[in-house]
Amino acid sequence: DIQMTQSPSSLSASVGDTVTITCRASQGIKNYLAWFQQKPGKAPQSLIYAASSLQSGVPSKFSGSGSGTEFTLTISSLQPDDCATYYCQQHSAFPLTFGGGTKVEIK
Amino acid sequence: EVQLVESGGGLVQPGGSLRLSCAASGFTFSDHYMDWVRQAPGKGLEWVGRVRNRAESSTSEYGASVRGRFTISRDDSKNSLYLQMNSLKTEDTAVYYCVRSLAVGGRNYFNFWGQGTLVTVSS
Repeated sequence: DIQMTQSPSSLSASVGDTVTITCRASQGIKNYLAWFQQKPGKAPQSLIYAASSLQSGVPSKFSGSGSGTEFTLTISSLQPDDCATYYCQQHSAFPLTFGGGTKVEIK
Repeated sequence: EVQLVESGGGLVQPGGSLRLSCAASGFTFSDHYMDWVRQAPGKGLEWVGRVRNRAESSTSEYGASVRGRFTISRDDSKNSLYLQMNSLKTEDTAVYYCVRSLAVGGRNYFNFWGQGTLVTVSS
């Protein structure tokens, strides 16, 4: 199975900051990577697919990059509404696997 | 408006069975691959399995932890997705999400999630 490792597991930043979350795959997955946002008590929402393409309706403050084994999710101008847990997921091979999540909080 | 509404969750004893349903609306259900993803209390996301669309013969794939116990099926005439869960274990306790996938560049990416239904396996 392809292991997905996210770092950090949690972060705290100030309103207006730009934050970056890293996701590493245990083997090359080309650009077959997605990112999701999950707020407490809510279902996940899809943010990015194919490593860097924004899902319809997702604000441009979210951006993704990377290929192969290393990927990043960047959130610009952090706002209280961005407080959530963010997950990466690989779509390269079955079983589809998720990273452990990164909890983003406001300082 | 796209909607996915899960139902069928509840309390079941270890070794028991449960069937989850997901009612889809607002899109052409038969065109899409559909997945189930679960989340144990306080834990991360775990992919359960997928059923492809009719064009791909509605074939399915499963995660190792549920293979042989869970079966995913679909009824395109009813715009519905199902998850038949047998031989349930306490570790199957989770919120189960129905997820629509979107085909892009040879891959099917999760695109829209239902609100989930809670399954509790306990004696």
